[in-house]
This record gives sequence, C-alpha cells and structure tokens, in this order.
Amino acid sequence: GQQVMQIPQYQHVQEGEDFTTYCNSSTTLSNIQWYKQRPGGHPVFLIQLVKSGEVKKQKRLTFQFGEAKKNSSLHITATQTTDVGTYFCAAPNFGNEKLTFGTGTRLTIIP
Amino acid sequence: NAGVTQTPKFQVLKTGQSMTLQCAQDMNHNSMYWYRQDPGMGLRLIYYSASEGTTDKGEVPNGYNVSRLNKREFSLRLESAAPSQTSVYFCASTRTGGRQPQHFGDGTRLSIL
Repeated sequence: GQQVMQIPQYQHVQEGEDFTTYCNSSTTLSNIQWYKQRPGGHPVFLIQLVKSGEVKKQKRLTFQFGEAKKNSSLHITATQTTDVGTYFCAAPNFGNEKLTFGTGTRLTIIP
Repeated sequence: NAGVTQTPKFQVLKTGQSMTLQCAQDMNHNSMYWYRQDPGMGLRLIYYSASEGTTDKGEVPNGYNVSRLNKREFSLRLESAAPSQTSVYFCASTRTGGRQPQHFGDGTRLSIL
C-alpha cells in the first residue's frame, strides 16, 4: 500500500529558530495534505497541495510540493510557543477514499 | 456546529470486555473513518466507510468491527478487548474522496487492563 515517510520524528528548537519537516513518497502523489495536532488534541487540517512545485504560505508557515510530486515540506519561520505540536503529512491512496498519514514530526519549543 | 462528535472521551476496560465507540458528524459528509494513534506510530486506519451502506478494511482491522448506521453515524466495536488495543481512537469525516480535508473528533482514550 501507499507509504509516506516523514522526518525527523522529533525536533527541539529554541523559540525564534526555524523548523522544517519533510515528507517523502516512493510513488507520485496526486496531492498532499498537512495537519497539525496540538498535545492532547486532535489533528487539524492545515493545507492541501496539488500542483507540481506548488508553494503556499500561511503567515510563518511555508508549504512546498516537489516538482516530481513525490515529496513535500513544511517550514516554520521564527517559531513561537503556539507552534508546539505534531505535524503530519497525508497522501491519498489511488482508487479509494483512504489517506495514508506520515508518522509525524513532534515539535517542541524551548522558551 | 459540532462537527465530529465522539463518545465516550475516556474508557477503561478489562481484557475480554466489549464496547462500542460512537461517532457522529453533522456536516453531511459521505466518508467516515476510524483511526488509532499510538506513540510514534502516527495515525493508522482501522476501517472506513466511503458512503452510507459501505465499509472497508484499513491497515489494522483485526479485532474490530464497524457499522455505518446512517449517513451521520459510524460506530466502532471491540468484541473482546485486548491490552494491545489500548490507544487513542479518532473518528474523522470528509465530504468525499482523498482530495478533501478530513475533520477529526476529539478522540476516545481507551485503556484495556
């Protein structure tokens, strides 16, 4: 089945530093979604990327979809304590309604 | 607008007991999903329902059954709980297909002793 690898598994940064998480697939993806899960909370949809090479920004968050549509990244500039949580990428399986989630990157911030 | 509602929020069971986790959505979504989340394992799909009247297995279906009672409700049943089923269970819904965002409930934290 569909496999989506996400790295790193954990990231500890000083407040104000940048953060990046990467998502990789061995197959070409039709689209990729990103979710954020706060500690003790549930995953919340952030964004979807569909086009090859697409870049989208949400304030300090920048999302990229690779040219080959096999990888994606989420970059946070100047992290804040509100950015704490686990970030997941997710990709649809061809031919059905399923999403495959990456294992997530857990971001902790050192004030 | 409640979105996706899961009950109960917490539950402790003994090995061998059965229980049903309830999920309801009020967004008129066609597709509904059950995931389990274990530390370091991300979200793993147990079962999903692409539309009312249909259900399909996900990645980890063993030990579970589901019922899509109507368009709003999708329940998950553990017939004989095992300690390996201790986890956080999330229900999610989406309008349809893999191109739509999934909306998650708050989760059920289930411990099996």
